[in-house]
Amino acid sequence: GNSVTQMEGPVTLSEEAFLTINCTYTATGYPSLFWYVQYPGEGLQLLLKATKADDKGSNKGFEATYRKETTSFHLEKGSVQVSDSAVYFCALSDQGANNLFFGTGTRLTVIP
Amino acid sequence: KAGVTQTPRYLIKTRGQQVTLSCSPISGHRSVSWYQQTPGQGLQFLFEYFSETQRNKGNFPGRFSGRQFSNSRSEMNVSTLELGDSALYLCASSIDGADTEAFFGQGTRLTVV
Repeated sequence: GNSVTQMEGPVTLSEEAFLTINCTYTATGYPSLFWYVQYPGEGLQLLLKATKADDKGSNKGFEATYRKETTSFHLEKGSVQVSDSAVYFCALSDQGANNLFFGTGTRLTVIP
Repeated sequence: KAGVTQTPRYLIKTRGQQVTLSCSPISGHRSVSWYQQTPGQGLQFLFEYFSETQRNKGNFPGRFSGRQFSNSRSEMNVSTLELGDSALYLCASSIDGADTEAFFGQGTRLTVV
């Protein structure tokens, strides 16, 4: 079956620090992979996505590369800002974007 | 354009009652999915509707049901509420479900007492 294992949080970083949030997956076939972000009091927003092996998704300085050999999709950002404080969810889908399996979420707090 | 709209935003119900939640997708989107978010279980897929038909279903009991109307609006119903049904219920829409981006509403916070 499908599952996503995500780095446990919470993660606290100082502004301008480097961020990595690990995500590995188990899936049948070749799923699409996503990172969603949830800001306080809001719904989820798509941060980035990759639909096939070796694709790199990027947005707002965040990047993640679809690694089929390690079944991973780690999220990285070179220099975090206070405004990046949120909960980040790794997700996969093998049946289109509206049938998602989510990881447990990682809460990131960035302090000035 | 308007985003995904969920109503109501907050709801308090008593054990044993039933509840109906509503979701209006982005105009032109025909796929609507529902998710349950709880601190213990995280985000779990409930079901997806496309063109008024349930296309995919997660692993939830039959007390959880839904439907979709011809204008793509969707409702989710939970009967015989249990304390464990307290959660944030999120709705997401996409153009046809086979595309690569789903847009989420802000959710309905259901509290069962």
